[in-house]
Amino acid sequence: EDQVTQSPEALRLQEGESSSLNCSYTVSGLRGLFWYRQDPGKGPEFLFTLYSAGEEKEKERLKATLTKKESFLHITAPKPEDSATYLCAVKIQGAQKLVFGQGTRLTINP
Amino acid sequence: DVKVTQSSRYLVKRTGEKVFLECVQDMDHENMFWYRQDPGLGLRLIYFSYDVKMKEKGDIPEGYSVSREKKERFSLILESASTNQTSMYLCASGEIRWNYGYTFGSGTRLTVV
Repeated sequence: EDQVTQSPEALRLQEGESSSLNCSYTVSGLRGLFWYRQDPGKGPEFLFTLYSAGEEKEKERLKATLTKKESFLHITAPKPEDSATYLCAVKIQGAQKLVFGQGTRLTINP
Repeated sequence: DVKVTQSSRYLVKRTGEKVFLECVQDMDHENMFWYRQDPGLGLRLIYFSYDVKMKEKGDIPEGYSVSREKKERFSLILESASTNQTSMYLCASGEIRWNYGYTFGSGTRLTVV
């Protein structure tokens, strides 16, 4: 069964304290891995797409990396406005849909 | 920017009512999706559509139906609302070429009492 697991469920950091969020997947034929950010009461907002192992994408304080089994979302020197839930999703070969992980709720304290 | 608009942010309905959730996208996307999001369960796919009048069941279609009469509009229908359908409902659209994933609407928080 295709599965996407994110860890930790929740992470609380101090402003400026760098860390990483994990997304591990077990799927039959990866055709893309997506990271989204979701603020409370809003829909998810697209951040990155990764297609192959070794690929990296960056946006401001965020960097996403991909291996054959997992992806990391690294956050460097975070600010309180980076507080959100971060969702990981995969597109599987032959499928039109995305399979989502349960998300990591990130809180950055000033 | 692509916009996906959901007709209501908040809805309160009574058990047994027929409920319509509307979603409109403005970028001529082929694919449209309905998810529900619940604490601890993440996003679960209810139905999706890859063309007008075409629909496919997702992971949790029971108790729901959909309608796509026009390319830009995808409606989710709760035939007889029940309290276990209280949830956040998210609509999304996207192209078959997966360059950037889906674009989501802002969500409709439905409460069934």
